[in-house]
Amino acid sequence: AQSVTQLGSHVSVSEGALVLLRCNYSSSVPPYLFWYVQYPNQGLQLLLKYTTGATLVKGINGFEAEFKKSETSFHLTKPSAHMSDAAEYFCAVSDIQGGSEKLVFGKGTKLTVNP
Amino acid sequence: EPEVTQTPSHQVTQMGQEVILRCVPISNHLYFYWYRQILGQKVEFLVSFYNNEISEKSEIFDDQFSVERPDGSNFTLKIRSTKLEDSAMYFCASRSRSGVYNEQFFGPGTRLTVL
Repeated sequence: AQSVTQLGSHVSVSEGALVLLRCNYSSSVPPYLFWYVQYPNQGLQLLLKYTTGATLVKGINGFEAEFKKSETSFHLTKPSAHMSDAAEYFCAVSDIQGGSEKLVFGKGTKLTVNP
Repeated sequence: EPEVTQTPSHQVTQMGQEVILRCVPISNHLYFYWYRQILGQKVEFLVSFYNNEISEKSEIFDDQFSVERPDGSNFTLKIRSTKLEDSAMYFCASRSRSGVYNEQFFGPGTRLTVL
């Protein structure tokens, strides 16, 4: 069965600092991996995805993530945090290659950006 | 930009009552999903729906739950007799046929409170 672990339920950074949100996954098939962001009172918005090919993927709002198979990780980074990045971030894995429609989510990491 | 919408944003009900949560997926999408997130826990898959039938469901999705696409635009989740433990945020999602990596687009959620 697939699973996702997000280390750190809360991360706090200063504006302009590096953002690093950690995600580790477990999958029996080559995974498709996603990062979603949820702003207050809004739905889950797709930030970026890894499917095949280049292991460093770029998303919206300056975020990127690197797929590392040897470490079973898909950490999300942004070089310089902005106040508008304050939100909750969810890592998810898809098992569609294994025939399942569901996305399996981590518990989420709430990012706070301090002025 | 097309988006998934959900109504109501917040529903309060008494234990044992029936509730219907409504979703309008993105108009050209063909695959539909419900997820829920109990406060402080992971976003969990409930059910997927394609071609007017359930294609996959989790063990959470028991006989108390049902889904329907009554009119070609709405997608509903019905809980027949609500329990206290059904209190959660319920997310609807949809995917297009071209979303082969299972990129799902989420609505803002309905917060269900069972008293």
